[in-house]
Amino acid sequence: QSALTQPPSASGSPGQSVTISCTGTSSDVGVYNYVSWYQQHPGKAPKLLIYEVTKRPSGVPDRFSGSKSGNTASLTVSGLQADDEADYYCSSYAGSNNLVFGGGTKLTVL
Amino acid sequence: QVQLQESGPGLVKPSETLSLTCTVSGGSIGTFYWNWIRQPPGKGLEWVGYIYYTGSTSYNPSLKSRVTTSVDTSKNQVSLKLSSVTAADTAVYYCARELSNSDAFDIWGQGTMVTVSS
Repeated sequence: QSALTQPPSASGSPGQSVTISCTGTSSDVGVYNYVSWYQQHPGKAPKLLIYEVTKRPSGVPDRFSGSKSGNTASLTVSGLQADDEADYYCSSYAGSNNLVFGGGTKLTVL
Repeated sequence: QVQLQESGPGLVKPSETLSLTCTVSGGSIGTFYWNWIRQPPGKGLEWVGYIYYTGSTSYNPSLKSRVTTSVDTSKNQVSLKLSSVTAADTAVYYCARELSNSDAFDIWGQGTMVTVSS
C-alpha cells in the first residue's frame, strides 16, 4: 500500500479559506468513505478533525469541513486563524483491515 | 475522560525487540480497537497496526512479519512488540483509540520517542 498524496505545503491569510487535497486510488479513497483528517501542532499528538469524509467530532469547529470526489479527498479550513498553523494529515481505509496515511501538509497562516 | 499513556524504553539496540505498553485510564478497554501509529523524526504518520479487545489483530503489511500486539483487559493495557529493529524504526510511537467502526482515531496518547542505536 502506498501513502496518500498531499501537497507538502499550503498557506492563507487570516480570515481566508484554504483547501488541502489528499489523493489516493480506487483501492482506498476512491472506494471507501473512511477518510479522516488530523491536525498536528509541533511536539503534540495529532487531533481528529474529520472522519468518514465529512463528519466532525464533538468540539471541532465547523470552520473545518471535508469532502471527496473520486480518488481525491479534501479538507477546507475557513476563516483561517493563527492557531490553524499546523501539519495536517489525511488517512483512508485501504481494504483488508489496512489503513494508509497521507504524507502531510504544512499549513502556514500568513 | 479516557486517557492513553505509552511507556517503554527510549533506546533500543539494533536487531533487538522494541516493547511498548499503552495504559488506558478513565474508561474500559472493551469494545474498542486500539491502534499503534508511529512518526519518524520530521516525517509523516505511519499506521503500525491494531488489536481489538478480544485479541484480534491487523498489521501494516510492510511491518507484519515483525509486529506483535497483545491486550490485557485486567490491567487495561495494550502492548506492542517490534522485532529486529533498525535505525529506520526510530520514531515517536503513539497508541490511539479508534472511534467505533470509523477507521478514525479520536483519542491519542502523548507518544513516546524510541531511538534505535547501539
